[in-house]
Amino acid sequence: NAGVTQTPKFQVLKTGQSMTLQCAQDMNHEYMSWYRQDPGMGLRLIHYSVGAGITDQGEVPNGYNVSRSTTEDFPLRLLSAAPSQTSVYFCASSVGAGGFSYNEQFFGPGTRLTVL
Amino acid sequence: AQSVAQPEDQVNVAEGNPLTVKCTYSVSGNPYLFWYVQYPNRGLQFLLKYITGDNLVKGSYGFEAEFNKSQTSFHLKKPSALVSDSALYFCAVRDPNQGGKLIFGQGTELSVKP
Repeated sequence: NAGVTQTPKFQVLKTGQSMTLQCAQDMNHEYMSWYRQDPGMGLRLIHYSVGAGITDQGEVPNGYNVSRSTTEDFPLRLLSAAPSQTSVYFCASSVGAGGFSYNEQFFGPGTRLTVL
Repeated sequence: AQSVAQPEDQVNVAEGNPLTVKCTYSVSGNPYLFWYVQYPNRGLQFLLKYITGDNLVKGSYGFEAEFNKSQTSFHLKKPSALVSDSALYFCAVRDPNQGGKLIFGQGTELSVKP
């Protein structure tokens, strides 16, 4: 199993550009999520999905879109990049879905994004 | 709303000494609590979790954590620290009454010196 994979590892964008961060998992996990990590703020949830075709907003969804057309893939789209979106982005997945899932999440290696 | 706090940005211990990384939480119901570790330039790795039952839970790499409902705490502990334990540690909470969201603390940098 490759686990959770993310591409690219590094990306530099100019303000206003758009891009998609890719995330894939090969563990047949129902639950997938995107976080951003900023110094001193821990990980903040951007969007999450409890299964194919179902997505919902997290703590900091503005400026980001997601879709979940398959169980395996959960891409994150930046519509018009801003310097405030400079961060490290992590994708994660876990077995089960919904509030009663007590399973731990598996994290990808992260994407380091810089917006100039 | 659920929340989790790690009151210490950094914890310094000498190798061989016991270590504690503190975590407190706030949820409306019974919490699911997790500890994760992040090594430099890596993703997060799961260490241990508390769901129900025994208040002392044991996890990977010799770590353990004690759930204290009255103090709403879930401190991470290890009897004898190793230099290789130096990393960033995150506490996280999931409130079953608040959907599938996992909320993280801000992280604690653990530094173990020889």
